[in-house]
Amino acid sequence: AQSVTQPDIHITVSEGASLELRCNYSYGATPYLFWYVQSPGQGLQLLLKYFSGDTLVQGIKGFEAEFKRSQSSFNLRKPSVHWSDAAEYFCAVGANSGYSTLTFGKGTMLLVSP
Amino acid sequence: NAGVTQTPKFQVLKTGQSMTLQCAQDMNHNSMYWYRQDPGMGLRLIYYSASEGTTDKGEVPNGYNVSRLNKREFSLRLESAAPSQTSVYFCASSEGVTVSGANVLTFGAGSRLTVL
Repeated sequence: AQSVTQPDIHITVSEGASLELRCNYSYGATPYLFWYVQSPGQGLQLLLKYFSGDTLVQGIKGFEAEFKRSQSSFNLRKPSVHWSDAAEYFCAVGANSGYSTLTFGKGTMLLVSP
Repeated sequence: NAGVTQTPKFQVLKTGQSMTLQCAQDMNHNSMYWYRQDPGMGLRLIYYSASEGTTDKGEVPNGYNVSRLNKREFSLRLESAAPSQTSVYFCASSEGVTVSGANVLTFGAGSRLTVL
């Protein structure tokens, strides 16, 4: 079975600064990888996904993530954070074979300071 | 385009009461899911349905039942609510022909349940 770890519960970033949210996974092969964002009082929305190919994937709202097989990581990045990016971010992993559901990390809450 | 609609948005129950959370999607998706979200725990899968007429247990099914009424609707029932079931519940759906790790989920806005 797969698992995913988001080491940071909270992160505070100044508006305009760069952002990196960490995600590490455990799975015997290359999994499917996702980042979702949850704004306050809302459901989760897909930011980006990695299935195969180019290890740097682009998503919505200016986010990108890089898959690093050697580190079992899929970190989310944004070069310049906006106040509207304040939200909770979830990394998720799915098995790449068979009948499988997603496993979500526990989330990282992003706070943006003026 | 409504997407995934959950009702009610808020509910307060007393211990032992029963209730049903309703979920409907208008995207013609095959698979539907119920998750619960608790602080510091992320999202945990309660039940899912790969297609109309089928349901499967997820990570935390105890105390819950589900019904896939038709392709659009997937309800979650608490028969005898307990304080441990205080949570935010999310319904989601996905387009894939079956349940797969590649499925992209579309979520509803959530239902906040408090059990006193």
